[in-house]
Amino acid sequence: DQQVKQNSPSLSVQEGRISILNCDYTNSMFDYFLWYKKYPAEGPTFLISISSIKDKNEDGRFTVFLNKSAKHLSLHIVPSQPGDSAVYFCAASAHYGQNFVFGPGTRLSVLP
Amino acid sequence: DGGITQSPKYLFRKEGQNVTLSCEQNLNHDAMYWYRQDPGQGLRLIYYSQIVNDFQKGDIAEGYSVSREKKESFPLTVTSAQKNPTAFYLCASSIARTDTQYFGPGTRLTVL
Repeated sequence: DQQVKQNSPSLSVQEGRISILNCDYTNSMFDYFLWYKKYPAEGPTFLISISSIKDKNEDGRFTVFLNKSAKHLSLHIVPSQPGDSAVYFCAASAHYGQNFVFGPGTRLSVLP
Repeated sequence: DGGITQSPKYLFRKEGQNVTLSCEQNLNHDAMYWYRQDPGQGLRLIYYSQIVNDFQKGDIAEGYSVSREKKESFPLTVTSAQKNPTAFYLCASSIARTDTQYFGPGTRLTVL
């Protein structure tokens, strides 16, 4: 049973518009969430994190929103750039000591 | 220049041979991890280590072995018992187990 889901395998967005990547989780004990970006044949790069004590965290063009009651988080990229084209992974953990659980990823394509 | 290195980037082996993948970090991180990524799937945890001379099985440890004799190094051996060894292998490290993980560039293993 997948504890972290990213239901959209792929997403295409026009350059300059907003990209919204979604992630849902089932374990209510998760309290720390990460987003990673991954190019082909490379390791994932950490983008942004959010703790369950917050509902929003912003870093430049990247904003992560957390809705604990819905067990849902989303990553917003504004404005989207062609270099943002990559696979984005959501990961979650519970600070009582569980390892991070990764979602299957969403492939974002930003079209010029 | 701090970071995580994995070598080699591409590795080819004949079926039935053991092969060892290297992972080194100079970030002074206590925790290290090995993941496997298959096409269209998220990252699956093979083994992790929270401290030198200690390691634990992840979700898919069968057919793999690790050692953690030094803080900086966490090599992974893919044994002949692993039924589907061809995959992209990623090593990561973090300050502690529940902290943000930073990934190496990965090793693509192909078993012929």
